[in-house]
Amino acid sequence: AAGVIQSPRHLIKEKRETATLKCYPIPRHDTVYWYQQGPGQDPQFLISFYEKMQSDKGSIPDRFSAQQFSDYHSELNMSSLELGDSALYFCASSPEIAGVQYNEQFFGPGTRLTVL
Amino acid sequence: AQSVTQLDSQVPVFEEAPVELRCNYSSSVSVYLFWYVQYPNQGLQLLLKYLSGSTLVKGINGFEAEFNKSQTSFHLRKPSVHISDTAEYFCAVTLAAGNKLTFGGGTRVLVKP
Repeated sequence: AAGVIQSPRHLIKEKRETATLKCYPIPRHDTVYWYQQGPGQDPQFLISFYEKMQSDKGSIPDRFSAQQFSDYHSELNMSSLELGDSALYFCASSPEIAGVQYNEQFFGPGTRLTVL
Repeated sequence: AQSVTQLDSQVPVFEEAPVELRCNYSSSVSVYLFWYVQYPNQGLQLLLKYLSGSTLVKGINGFEAEFNKSQTSFHLRKPSVHISDTAEYFCAVTLAAGNKLTFGGGTRVLVKP
């Protein structure tokens, strides 16, 4: 079965650089979620999109922005990178079934961002 | 706002022994509860979920969890662990389908031969 695809899987950047993380949800999943997992920490919700509109926002820095495109893929743009942005970034997706949002989120493998 | 507390940060256990991972949540409204497993350098995989109905939920890989509303707990159990169960386990809650997940701090399970 198709899974959530994230690219790149690994990314190394310097401080103050920018990074773009991409997420391709499972086909026919219209909701995308982004989470950040710092070293030794639990995943923290950043932002979510439903049908290309932002549906919820968590502890996402102003330096970060995200969007969902017409093909439902999503991109997380990170600018002025700081050392503390080094983390594993997960994308998850979920479908709407018969007009009702499904109760499970399916996670991708994550993008490991290292800021030097 | 909802919150999740996993009472044990690390649980060492011998192979074929039982294991229980404790999870307590706080919410003023009904929640959906989940357990995820994260193997080293991998993503999150759903073990099981509680939405409603029977309070005993069975998941993959022989895991089960019991929802206790009065104690606001959702403890995960496995009667006999394998070396391959070595991983980090996260308890999570959400208020409704389509909403964000709030995770606990994780419990690292180390299965020893």
